[in-house]
Amino acid sequence: GDSVTQMEGPVTLSEEAFLTINCTYTATGYPSLFWYVQYPGEGLQLLLKATKADDKGSNKGFEATYRKETTSFHLEKGSVQVSDSAVYFCALSGTGGGNKLTFGTGTQLKVEL
Amino acid sequence: EPEVTQTPSHQVTQMGQEVILRCVPISNHLYFYWYRQILGQKVEFLVSFYNNEISEKSEIFDDQFSVERPDGSNFTLKIRSTKLEDSAMYFCASSERSGESNQPQHFGDGTRLSIL
Repeated sequence: GDSVTQMEGPVTLSEEAFLTINCTYTATGYPSLFWYVQYPGEGLQLLLKATKADDKGSNKGFEATYRKETTSFHLEKGSVQVSDSAVYFCALSGTGGGNKLTFGTGTQLKVEL
Repeated sequence: EPEVTQTPSHQVTQMGQEVILRCVPISNHLYFYWYRQILGQKVEFLVSFYNNEISEKSEIFDDQFSVERPDGSNFTLKIRSTKLEDSAMYFCASSERSGESNQPQHFGDGTRLSIL
């Protein structure tokens, strides 16, 4: 079945540092890929998405490129802020029928001054 | 911006009791979902619902679970006889168009269910 693997957290960075959160997936067919973010005490918010190979999703300074050859969708940001502290979830949908999301385990990011 | 709303935010229930979790999806959305997240674990799909019927469900969604759209706005998840292992955060989500994998799902803030 489909699966998503994310790097273990927590990740602790200083403000303005470069962020990479690795995500790889296993799926049949051509899934759509998503990053969701969960701020403390809140629900999941869509951060960005990519629907086909080589697409780059971007939002709020975050980027991720759909790499079919490496089955990856790594999240990057050039300069993180304290307000980016949250849990980040990689997810996929669209294989095997239906529209359900398959999530990774989530990576907690903590940004310090 | 329209949002998915869930009530209550926290529900405490005795084991064996029935519980109903409520959700109001975004008004023009057609596809509805429930997910759960046991503390410290990943978010897991439970069920999807379209055109007043279940379109897909996971192994977790056994006979103790049911979903309903009783009117034009609410979408509910019922657990008939709760078990300790049902303790989790339950998320409702909705998406705009039916069955298209690239349609993003919009999530509510969740209901934390605690079974005693």
